[in-house]
This record gives sequence, C-alpha cells and structure tokens, in this order.
Amino acid sequence: NAGVTQTPKFQVLKTGQSMTLQCAQDMNHEYMSWYRQDPGMGLRLIHYSVGAGITDQGEVPNGYNVSRSTTEDFPLRLLSAAPSQTSVYFCASSYGPTSSGNTIYFGEGSWLTVV
Amino acid sequence: DAKTTQPPSMDCAEGRAANLPCNHSTISGNEYVYWYRQIHSQGPQYIIHGLKNNETNEMASLIITEDRKSSTLILPHATLRDTAVYYCIVRVGFSSGSARQLTFGSGTQLTVLP
Repeated sequence: NAGVTQTPKFQVLKTGQSMTLQCAQDMNHEYMSWYRQDPGMGLRLIHYSVGAGITDQGEVPNGYNVSRSTTEDFPLRLLSAAPSQTSVYFCASSYGPTSSGNTIYFGEGSWLTVV
Repeated sequence: DAKTTQPPSMDCAEGRAANLPCNHSTISGNEYVYWYRQIHSQGPQYIIHGLKNNETNEMASLIITEDRKSSTLILPHATLRDTAVYYCIVRVGFSSGSARQLTFGSGTQLTVLP
C-alpha cells in the first residue's frame, strides 16, 4: 500500500517555465488536495477536489491549475513559475470530509525552487 | 474554525511519557481534534483524532477534557524518533463550496533527549 505518492521530490525551475507536480493515491479516496508550506509557516491550501471531475480553489490558487480526471490522480500545474512559488508542496487525500472524522493522509512533499 | 494554542517547545527524556497540551477553547460541538506531527519538513503524519471521548491507538493517547476546551496528546514511551513538531488541529480540511485554510496552529517542537 503506497498511500499518497508525489513526484518529483526535488525540482529546480527557471522563471517562466511550466511544470506539473504529480500526485497519486491508491486508497480510493474521494478527497484530494494540494498545499504549500513556506519556511516556518503552516500549510496553505492551493486547490482541492471532492471527486473526479470536481475541483475548487483554496486559499492561494493564483499561478496554479488542477484537474481531476480519475479518482487516483490529482496533478498540480504551475503555469509560469515565479520565485514566489519556491516552496514545499504537499499532496493529501482522505476518504471523506474531516467534519465526519475522516483522516487526511499526506505525501512526502515536493521541494520546488524557482530561480 | 476554532483556534488552537500550544506551547512552542517541550523536552522529554527518552523512555518517559511525553504530554503535549493544546488549548481550543472556541471549539464547537461537532468539531474533531486532530493531532499531526512533522519531522524535518517531511509530510505531516497523522497521529490520532477524537471528538468527545478519550482515544488510544498504537502511537498515542488523546485525552479531551469534559468541556472539550483542551486536550493532551500522550506519547507513552518517547523515543528519539519522536522528536518533531506536533500540531493540534481543529476542523482540518475543507468542504465543497468553501475554501478552507488548513491551520496547523503554532505547533510544539518536542525534543526527546537521550
């Protein structure tokens, strides 16, 4: 059971380049999300999905795009990388909402540096 | 969402119980208390959660006061590998139609000493 898998683990981009962070889960979870964590700060929600074909914006969505074509995968696309997007990115998933006591499971993170 | 307050740091001797407190005085009746930890910027690791009753699993115990305004995470026999930042979170996550900020509170840096 792999859980939540993120790739790549490390990436360096030049300003203006685009790229996709991959996230896959094998737990048949409906809810998936992307967060970023800057040094010394908590996690901030970028985008989330409550099922295949359904996505919505979180707190800091600008500069990022997502789609959810399958239950398993939830890729995060950086459209035109900026130095302000240098961060650690975490993908997470849960079977259902935490308001019902469901647990969120996190991936190991993707370290992105934009130069 | 309810705000949580945790001490910024704590030390614990290896093999002893680590008791990490969390204040969540504004918690509402249907909000769960979750505990996560993060080791060296790895992905946050789920520890335990509860609503009203005390809970125990293979990692820890969670004691929630009767008025639910505070809780304590107990690691019964702390090891060096338990050194991490521990986050107490109320109402994690999101629901369709509303964006939610995931706030991990201030977190407690637990250092287990040999």
